[in-house]
Amino acid sequence: QVQLVESGGGVVQPGRSLRLSCAASGFDFSSHVMHWVRQAPGKGLEWVAVISTDGKYEYYADSVKGRFNISRDNSKNTLSLQVKTLRTEDSAVYYCAKGRFNWNFFENWGQGTLLTVSS
Amino acid sequence: DIQMTQSPSSLSASVGDRVTITCRASQGINNYLAWYQQKPGNVPTLLIYAASRLQSGVPSRFSGSGSGTEFTLTISSLQPEDIATYYCQKYNSAPITFGQGTRLEIK
Repeated sequence: QVQLVESGGGVVQPGRSLRLSCAASGFDFSSHVMHWVRQAPGKGLEWVAVISTDGKYEYYADSVKGRFNISRDNSKNTLSLQVKTLRTEDSAVYYCAKGRFNWNFFENWGQGTLLTVSS
Repeated sequence: DIQMTQSPSSLSASVGDRVTITCRASQGINNYLAWYQQKPGNVPTLLIYAASRLQSGVPSRFSGSGSGTEFTLTISSLQPEDIATYYCQKYNSAPITFGQGTRLEIK
C-alpha cells in the first residue's frame, strides 16, 4: 500500500533553515507529481509547492517563493523541502502528498511533520 | 490568483439529514475541483475529484457536482462518522488553492 513518511520537523529559530524529507513506498514514485501542503495549528490547509515527475518543473505558493525549494530523488523514492529564512508564520504541520500521475489533487497524504519556528 | 470560497463556514445537522456544502471559484476552473474530509486529529482524505468522481472506497452517500465556478458537496444521509472539516481544492493550474473549510457538527 502507499506509504508517505515525513521527517525533519522540529523547533527552529526565525531566520534559520531546515530540510524536510518524505520517504515514499508502495507505488511507482517517478510516475506521480508530488506536493507539500501545510496546516498551521487550528487552521486550514495551505498548498506549498509541487514538483513534476521528472523534477524539471516546480511551482510555489507566493508565501514561500524564494525561500523554499522542493526537490525529488526518483532513484531513492524521496521528496524533500528545503526551507530557508524561516518565519514564525511558517509554523505548521507539513504534509507530503501524492498526486494522481500528473493530476494535482492529493490522493494520498503522509502523517505530517511539525515545524515550529520560535525564538 | 483564483480564490476558493466555501459556505457555510460551519454547519450543524442531524443524523440522517441531507447536507450540502458550496464552493465558489473566483474564475472558471472547468471541473478541476476536489473535496477532502479531515476528521479531528487526522490527516485529510480525498473524497471527490474532477468535481463529481467518487474516490475509491468513499461511501456512496457522498457526491459532488458543478462546473465552472460553482460546486457542491452533498452528503445524502448524514452519519455520526461524517463529523469533520471539509475542504474544496482547485487544481487546474498553479497556484493550487483550498477553500477555507466547512466544519460539520452533529446536532
